[in-house]
Amino acid sequence: DAMVIQNPRYQVTQFGKPVTLSCSQTLNHNVMYWYQQKSSQAPKLLFHYYDKDFNNEADTPDNFQSRRPNTSFCFLDIRSPGLGDAAMYLCATSGWGTYEQYFGPGTRLTVT
Amino acid sequence: KQEVTQIPAALSVPEGENLVLNCSFTDSAIYNLQWFRQDPGKGLTSLLLIQSSQREQTSGRLNASLDKSSGRSTLYIAASQPGDSATYLCAVRRYNNDMRFGAGTRLTVKP
Repeated sequence: DAMVIQNPRYQVTQFGKPVTLSCSQTLNHNVMYWYQQKSSQAPKLLFHYYDKDFNNEADTPDNFQSRRPNTSFCFLDIRSPGLGDAAMYLCATSGWGTYEQYFGPGTRLTVT
Repeated sequence: KQEVTQIPAALSVPEGENLVLNCSFTDSAIYNLQWFRQDPGKGLTSLLLIQSSQREQTSGRLNASLDKSSGRSTLYIAASQPGDSATYLCAVRRYNNDMRFGAGTRLTVKP
């Protein structure tokens, strides 16, 4: 089945130690999104790619970076994780036409 | 800036009751609006997508409406079941691919 896959599902990292989360999709969608969701809060858009064009939200900290090497894959890099970066990170895609969003299962990040 | 609000924040109903969840947004220049379900600790599952030119969409016991001019959408759930217990989120997409979510309504359906 076509889907959005996130790895790992759970990630534990140490304070200040760089970490990379990955997302892949088999939907061939041209738009990919990264969201941060903290407990009982709305998902917050960090950035998105429209094809290869990178769009950063104005309030996304510089500590967060992203790469999209091809249509299928997108990575979220957190350069120096702080305790406040512990959250669920959600990847989503959408494609030409309806632009309906499809979400992956998320990666739960813990910072120790 | 688009602001999305969901009321109520939490709702508890007995099984079998029909219920309405509300979503409001401040900027009516939207491309579409999507309703999602989220179970605890899980990702988001799409329920219904309404394009800006549409007034409503239906799927099984769910019906979503959209009134762009007033900045409102409702999600109607008929004959609620305990399995419907989850958090329901609405998200608004603008033409620049910007996506804004509401904080959600946490629904509990009691057997």
